[in-house]
Amino acid sequence: ETGVTQSPTHLIKTRGQQVTLRCSSQSGHNTVSWYQQALGQGPQFIFQYYREEENGRGNFPPRFSGLQFPNYSSELNVNALELDDSALYLCASSLVGSNEQFFGPGTRLTVL
Amino acid sequence: AQTVTQSQPEMSVQEAETVTLSCTYDTSESNYYLFWYKQPPSRQMILVIRQEAYKQQNATENRFSVNFQKAAKSFSLKISDSQLGDTAMYFCAFILHGSSNTGKLIFGQGTTLQVKP
Repeated sequence: ETGVTQSPTHLIKTRGQQVTLRCSSQSGHNTVSWYQQALGQGPQFIFQYYREEENGRGNFPPRFSGLQFPNYSSELNVNALELDDSALYLCASSLVGSNEQFFGPGTRLTVL
Repeated sequence: AQTVTQSQPEMSVQEAETVTLSCTYDTSESNYYLFWYKQPPSRQMILVIRQEAYKQQNATENRFSVNFQKAAKSFSLKISDSQLGDTAMYFCAFILHGSSNTGKLIFGQGTTLQVKP
C-alpha cells in the first residue's frame, strides 16, 4: 500500500510569485484535504477535494485554489504569494465518508 | 464554530513514566470524532488514537489511552511507559461526522512532549 506523497519537499519563492504543490493520495483513497501549518502551530484546513470538486473550504482567500485529477492526485496553487504564506503545507487523503485522514510528509514553503 | 484548545505548550517526562496531555474542545454538535495525532520532528503526522463521540468507552491503543468526558468537552491522552520515540508534537483534533463533515479537521495548538532518558 502506497502512502501519501507530496512534492516538492522544500520550495523557496519570492513575494508576488505563484506556486504549485502536488499530492498523491494513498492507494484507494478518493478524497484529498490540504492544510497550512505555520511554525509551532496546529494545521489549518484550507479545502478538501472529492470527485474533482471542492467539497469544503476553510478561511483562506481565493488566491488559494486547488485541483483534483481523475487518479485522485491533487494540486494546491497559491497566487500572489505573501510573506505569511511561509509554512508547511500538508496533504491528507481519505475515503469519502471516513473520518480518518492520512497525512503526507508536507512541503515546506518559504516566501522571501 | 468548533474550537480545540491544548493548554500545555510543552511537557516532559522521564522514560518509562506516564504522562497525560490535556485537550478541551467546544462544539454545539453531538456527532463527531476526536483524534490525537503525533508529529515527530521533521517527520509526518501520524494518527495515535481516535474516539467516536457516541461511544462512552474510552479508546485505547497499546500504551496510549484517552479519557473522554463528553459533558465536560474534555479529551486527554495518557501515554504509559513513555519511550524516547514518543518525543514529538502532539495535536488534538476534532471533526464533525456525517452530512456536516466537509473534511475539516480542527486542530489544537499542539503540545511538545520530550521524553528524557
